[in-house]
Amino acid sequence: GESVGLHLPTLSVQEGDNSIINCAYSNSASDYFIWYKQESGKGPQFIIDIRSNMDKRQGQRVTVLLNKTVKHLSLQIAATQPGDSAVYFCAENRPNQGGKLIFGQGTELSVKP
Amino acid sequence: DAGVTQSPTHLIKTRGQHVTLRCSPISGHKSVSWYQQVLGQGPQFIFQYYEKEERGRGNFPDRFSARQFPNYSSELNVNALLLGDSALYLCASSDMIAGGATQYFGPGTRLLVL
Repeated sequence: GESVGLHLPTLSVQEGDNSIINCAYSNSASDYFIWYKQESGKGPQFIIDIRSNMDKRQGQRVTVLLNKTVKHLSLQIAATQPGDSAVYFCAENRPNQGGKLIFGQGTELSVKP
Repeated sequence: DAGVTQSPTHLIKTRGQHVTLRCSPISGHKSVSWYQQVLGQGPQFIFQYYEKEERGRGNFPDRFSARQFPNYSSELNVNALLLGDSALYLCASSDMIAGGATQYFGPGTRLLVL
C-alpha cells in the first residue's frame, strides 16, 4: 500500500506538558521518515527526520521514535509551548519513486495556556 | 540565507484559464519538487526535477506540467483550470535526489479558481 496515516486528527495539551503525535505507515520498504510542522498560512517546516536503521533520534525539545516491527513512528515534544500549536505531518520518503514524499492527513496540535 | 521562495503568494483565476507558478530553491540546491495541498489534507506530490530533468511524477493529469531552468528555479504550469485545482501549491528544494535528502518547503502559492 501507499499510505502514511496519523492516529488522531486533533490533540489538545496543556502548556508545559509533553505531547506525543503518532503516525502509522504501510510500506515496510520505506527507509526515511520526516516530521513537518505547518502553521496556518505557511508551508511545512522541517522538524526532524529519522532513517530506518535508527530507532530514536533527538532534537531540540523533540524526539522521534521509529518502530519498524509495527510500522509506527511518533513525535514527542517536550514542555509544549503555545508556539508549538500547528498541524504536524509525518512524511515517508521513497527514493525508488523519485524521492517523492508521501504525507498523511496531519494532526492538529492545540496548546492551552 | 534565503529559503525557498515562491511567487505569487496568492492568485485568483477562472475556470479554463491557465496559470504559471514560480519557485526559487535554496542556494546550492539542485532538486525542486512540487506539491498540491488541498485544504484539510496533506500535500500531494506532483513533480520532482533534478538537474533540469523530470525525475518523478505524481498522479496528476497532463494539464499539469513543469520545468526547471539552468539556475535551478522552476515553474509549474496548469492549463484548463478546474474548480478542483484550488489549493495551496508548495515547492520544496533539496540538495540531491538520492534517498533521504531532506526537502525544505517554501511558503506556497494559494490558488483560487472561480
